[in-house]
Order: sequence, then structure tokens, then C-alpha cells
Amino acid sequence: DIQMTQSPSSLSASVGDRVTITCRASQGISNYLAWYQQKPGKVPELLIYAASTLQSGVPSRFSGSGSGTDFTLTISSLQPEDVATYYCQNYNSAPETFGQGTKVEIK
Amino acid sequence: EVQVLESGGGLVQPGGSLRLSCAASGFTFSRYAMSWVRQAPGKGLEWVSVITGSGDNTFYADSVKGRFTISRDNSKNTLYLQMNSLRAEDTALYYCARGSNSFHNSELDYWGQGTLVTVSS
Repeated sequence: DIQMTQSPSSLSASVGDRVTITCRASQGISNYLAWYQQKPGKVPELLIYAASTLQSGVPSRFSGSGSGTDFTLTISSLQPEDVATYYCQNYNSAPETFGQGTKVEIK
Repeated sequence: EVQVLESGGGLVQPGGSLRLSCAASGFTFSRYAMSWVRQAPGKGLEWVSVITGSGDNTFYADSVKGRFTISRDNSKNTLYLQMNSLRAEDTALYYCARGSNSFHNSELDYWGQGTLVTVSS
């Protein structure tokens, strides 16, 4: 089974900061990588799919990159409404595992 | 408007069974894979199972393989998760989510609100 490892587990940054979250797959998954945002007490929402394609309606300050085993999610200018836990997911092959999550807070 | 609505959660004793349902609307149900994802209290997301649009192929997490069965009735636009031999560690909020296409390897673009399953004596 493919393991997905995110880092860091949590981070605190100031409004306007550039934030980067990494996700590493234990074996190559091409670009079958999605990022989800889960705000406190809310349902997860799709942010990015195919490693770098922004889901409709998602602000352009979010971007994704990577292929194979190493992926990144970047928030170019952190906003208060971005406080959430972010998860990556492999959907190249079952089991379609999630990373353990990265909690983003405002400093 | 795409909607998925889970039901069937509740309190069940260890070793018991429960069947979750997910009613879909606003899209052609048979054209999309559907998944179950769970989240234990205060924990992260755990992928559980996926079924292709036709229902011909199913896949499971190792933690539920042999105990849970995913199925769908495309005539009723409904997804199911039959859960047997339930354990305390199955306690979680169970989300139903739509895949972006009919195949199992697709991102999850619409999620329901979840239904809570509690396994306890």
C-alpha cells in the first residue's frame, strides 16, 4: 500500500505570509494527487486535483505542484479564512490513502 | 445542484452491524464513482472504500476488508455501506463523497455532511 506523509503536522504563520505544505508518497503516483481543505467543524472540500489543477471557485492564492512522489501545496498570501487542516490524497491506486493532515493557524 | 446525503448512523454494540445509505441528487448517479471516507473524533481523514459508476469494481481499506461491503443501486441513486463485525475503532463520522468520473481513481469533488457511527457497549 502507498503511504502518504505530510509535513509539517502543524504551522503558524502571519496573515500575508507564503505557506508551503509538502506531501510525499511512498511510491510513485504520477499526478494522481488531490488536496483538500477542512475548516473547523466543516466538511472537507476539494482544493486541487491532478496535483496542480485548481478546483472551480478556489482562490488563486492556492497552488499545487509535483509529480511522482513529491508534492507541494502553496498558499501565496495566507488569509484568516485559510485557517483549516489540509490533507493530501493519493488516488492513483487503492487504497486511496490520505496524508495525516497539516493544521494551519494564524500567528 | 449536486447533493449527497448520508443516513443510517447510530449507536451499535461491538460485533454488531449497521448499514449506511447515501442518497444522491443533481447529477447522473451511474456516471460517477462513489466513496466512503471516515473521520474518527479529533482525527484525520481515513479512506474506507470506493465503487465504480457501474458497480462492477469495488476496493477497500485493509482496516475494513472482509467486514464492510460497499454497493450501489443506480435505479435509486443510492450508495450503501454494509458494516459488519463492528469494532470500537470504527467509531467515526462517515462521509459519502462523489468521484469526478466513473472510475475508482478520481478525486472527490462533492462530500456529504456525514453520519455518525458509534461502536460501544
